[in-house]
Amino acid sequence: DAGITQSPRHKVTETGTPVTLRCHQTENHRYMYWYRQDPGHGLRLIHYSYGVKDTDKGEVSDGYSVSRSKTEDFLLTLESATSSQTSVYFCAIRTGGYNEQFFGPGTRLTVL
Amino acid sequence: GENVEQHPSTLSVQEGDSAVIKCTYSDSASNYFPWYKQELGKRPQLIIDIRSNVGEKKDQRIAVTLNKTAKHFSLHITETQPEDSAVYFCAPSGGGSYIPTFGRGTSLIVHP
Repeated sequence: DAGITQSPRHKVTETGTPVTLRCHQTENHRYMYWYRQDPGHGLRLIHYSYGVKDTDKGEVSDGYSVSRSKTEDFLLTLESATSSQTSVYFCAIRTGGYNEQFFGPGTRLTVL
Repeated sequence: GENVEQHPSTLSVQEGDSAVIKCTYSDSASNYFPWYKQELGKRPQLIIDIRSNVGEKKDQRIAVTLNKTAKHFSLHITETQPEDSAVYFCAPSGGGSYIPTFGRGTSLIVHP
């Protein structure tokens, strides 16, 4: 489990403020993903990356941006947080030849 | 994109009973069929998966079966125990896509 970390683990912020979540991996995997998890919706993909500076949108990308300047770090930014972005955010890495997902511990974000 | 449905959304069983969760998908090109388990407050974790060239796979008390013709796969848990209580997600993918699509989850409750 030490192969992927997320920071912060918990955050409370106010509507309209920018927020950046960080995902860090130590295993040099090419593919990284950001999901949000809300009751009744399962895990929904926000953005994913297939290499340094290579990213693409997922199902629920509106209001989010990402950056990947190094293999090990994948950042998720909420430019102007809204209450609808209150959620648990999971980062994941693709660990094998298929789309196996290994998840980070998650970040609980509350937007007041 | 892939349409994924899981049934049932909630499953309540007595300890020692069997449990079956079904996942249907739409993309006939899918070739990877995993199941994830998420305990309360924790990250999802891969528990078993199957490739499209295999019809069934077992690992102790859990098994996954695949029906590619009908486009569904199922998770089977035998001799359920209270520690099997969790939310289970399917996430089929493949056909050149690097994006798994998660089902909405099945909450399994095992009563002692």
